Amino acid sequence: GAVVSQHPSRVICKSGTSVKIECRSLDFQATTMFWYRQFPKQSLMLMATSNEGSKATYEQGVEKDKFLINHASLTLSTLTVTSAHPEDSSFYICSASRGGEMDGYTFGSGTRLTVV
Amino acid sequence: QKEVEQDPGPLSVPEGAIVSLNCTYSNSAFQYFMWYRQYSRKGPELLMYTYSSGNKEDGRFTAQVDKSSKYISLFIRDSQPSDSATYLCAMTLSGYSTLTFGKGTMLLVSP
Repeated sequence: GAVVSQHPSRVICKSGTSVKIECRSLDFQATTMFWYRQFPKQSLMLMATSNEGSKATYEQGVEKDKFLINHASLTLSTLTVTSAHPEDSSFYICSASRGGEMDGYTFGSGTRLTVV
Repeated sequence: QKEVEQDPGPLSVPEGAIVSLNCTYSNSAFQYFMWYRQYSRKGPELLMYTYSSGNKEDGRFTAQVDKSSKYISLFIRDSQPSDSATYLCAMTLSGYSTLTFGKGTMLLVSP
């Protein structure tokens, strides 16, 4: 089956620093990748949608200068949280889509970011 | 009114019970419906998907969609402690659209 690898699974960083999270589709080419944020006991909130080779589309209220998304290839997307602050602490999850298939949305295992 | 409503629970049942999880939605344009299972601190994994009203069965799991009532359900038969997780319903307009998730229902199956 389709596998999406997300790294790191957990990261602690100091306030003001930047953190990069990688999302890779291991055995398929992802036409689209999605980045979500999830707070405790809350649902997944879509942050942005990215297609390979083009700029990401951010959801309303998501700061594009703070959450930099790069989708350089059909198998790799990265999310960089710049100048992180404690309020950015959350669970970040990526999803890769093969497009057109209902079972085509595969999620990574998530990254727990803690900013101290 | 939120697009997708789902009771967050927790729902506690004894092992072997039949579990019913539900979501309602307001956007009649949703065409595809999915159920995901999410263990603590992990990404969601797809359990079932369907795009038509009616029932779809896969082992101990049955997904039910009633588009006229904008209501979907997931039934789990012979529930096991390993089923303890958060169950998220999700829906989308098409296979190329973003997913809209419910808040998730936490299920606890006790031995």
